[in-house]
Amino acid sequence: DAKTTQPPSMDCAEGRAANLPCNHSTISGNEYVYWYRQIHSQGPQYIIHGLKNNETNEMASLIITEDRKSSTLILPHATLRDTAVYYCIVSSLQGAQKLVFGQGTRLTINP
Amino acid sequence: DGGITQSPKYLFRKEGQNVTLSCEQNLNHDAMYWYRQDPGQGLRLIYYSQIVNDFQKGDIAEGYSVSREKKESFPLTVTSAQKNPTAFYLCASSIAPTGNTEAFFGQGTRLTVV
Repeated sequence: DAKTTQPPSMDCAEGRAANLPCNHSTISGNEYVYWYRQIHSQGPQYIIHGLKNNETNEMASLIITEDRKSSTLILPHATLRDTAVYYCIVSSLQGAQKLVFGQGTRLTINP
Repeated sequence: DGGITQSPKYLFRKEGQNVTLSCEQNLNHDAMYWYRQDPGQGLRLIYYSQIVNDFQKGDIAEGYSVSREKKESFPLTVTSAQKNPTAFYLCASSIAPTGNTEAFFGQGTRLTVV
């Protein structure tokens, strides 16, 4: 599975858009990009995933570059409850879905 | 309500004792996973199961054992051979074992060995 690189921490003002970057330069053609978040002492929560095209759901948008070597998770109107550790993961379509979690980005939303 | 349940939330054991962590799901998911998380770290995969009566080692399986006798249950035993068992343990499930499906996580069991 491809490795991902994320900044260790980010801050964002409440009400603003939070843009979380992720580099996955060794991603292969059959690997999806997943985003999960973990609020302190809870289990991770699925946010969104994509293969090539940009994706949007009720929680966030995922922008994947054309070469697929990086992506950005966008929380359009961040609230205090969005404070969490955000994990970017790549997972192969083939074989078992072994989600490999890195250290993630600790996002702090400030009032 | 459908979901994945881990019990207990907090568990204390004496060193040298085996302990079993429970994980149950009523989502009718084929795949189930166990992860370990240490303070300030990401999750590391211990074991996973793609189907009943089958499971595979993850990246840190030493000192752990699992069983998958029923689709809805995937208990994890932390044996006395695990050198540093104190950690936060997370169970997850997904509808299929391959990519393009989201994983659902339980709320975790925090194990402390004294």
